Amino acid sequence: KQEVTQIPAALSVPEGENLVLNCSFTDSAIYNLQWFRQDPGKGLTSLLLIQSSQREQTSGRLNASLDKSSGRSTLYIAASQPGDSATYLCAVAPYYGGATNKLIFGTGTLLAVQP
Amino acid sequence: NAGVTQTPKFQVLKTGQSMTLQCAQDMNHEYMSWYRQDPGMGLRLIHYSVGAGITDQGEVPNGYNVSRSTTEDFPLRLLSAAPSQTSVYFCASSYSIGHPTEAFFGQGTRLTVV
Repeated sequence: KQEVTQIPAALSVPEGENLVLNCSFTDSAIYNLQWFRQDPGKGLTSLLLIQSSQREQTSGRLNASLDKSSGRSTLYIAASQPGDSATYLCAVAPYYGGATNKLIFGTGTLLAVQP
Repeated sequence: NAGVTQTPKFQVLKTGQSMTLQCAQDMNHEYMSWYRQDPGMGLRLIHYSVGAGITDQGEVPNGYNVSRSTTEDFPLRLLSAAPSQTSVYFCASSYSIGHPTEAFFGQGTRLTVV
């Protein structure tokens, strides 16, 4: 059974620091991996999606990498800002889910960027 | 752009009551799904649908029913609410083109069962 783990569960950094969030998964048979942002009391906002054939995706100050063979993904945030404070979730779409997008989620990393 | 719209945003139910959580999307997505989010457990799949008239169970389906009469709507019904169903519920949708694509989520419904 696919399991997704995110470490650390919480992270506090000063503004301006570059940081890395980690996501690991137990089964490399995935279609893709998606990173989401969740603000308190809000829904999930998609940040980046990496297909299984890709190594990384970039959007602005965000860069996500994928190493399928080792079951790991990282989300790199450059020059962090207080507005980046949120919970970051990763989710994989496993092969056994077919084309139905049955996502398996990690429990998230709560990020606080201190001004 | 509306995207995925969920109603209501908040709801308090008494044990044994029934209710329907509404979900609508305006992106013509074939695939829709319901998740629940509980502290320390991440999001878990309740039910999903690959198109109008087709639904199936996810990881935690007990106590919930769904139907998909149109492409746009995917309501989630609680038959007899229990305190264990206190949670935040999210609806999601995506294209289905032979493999999973980017998932879009609604703002959630926070449900408390007393």
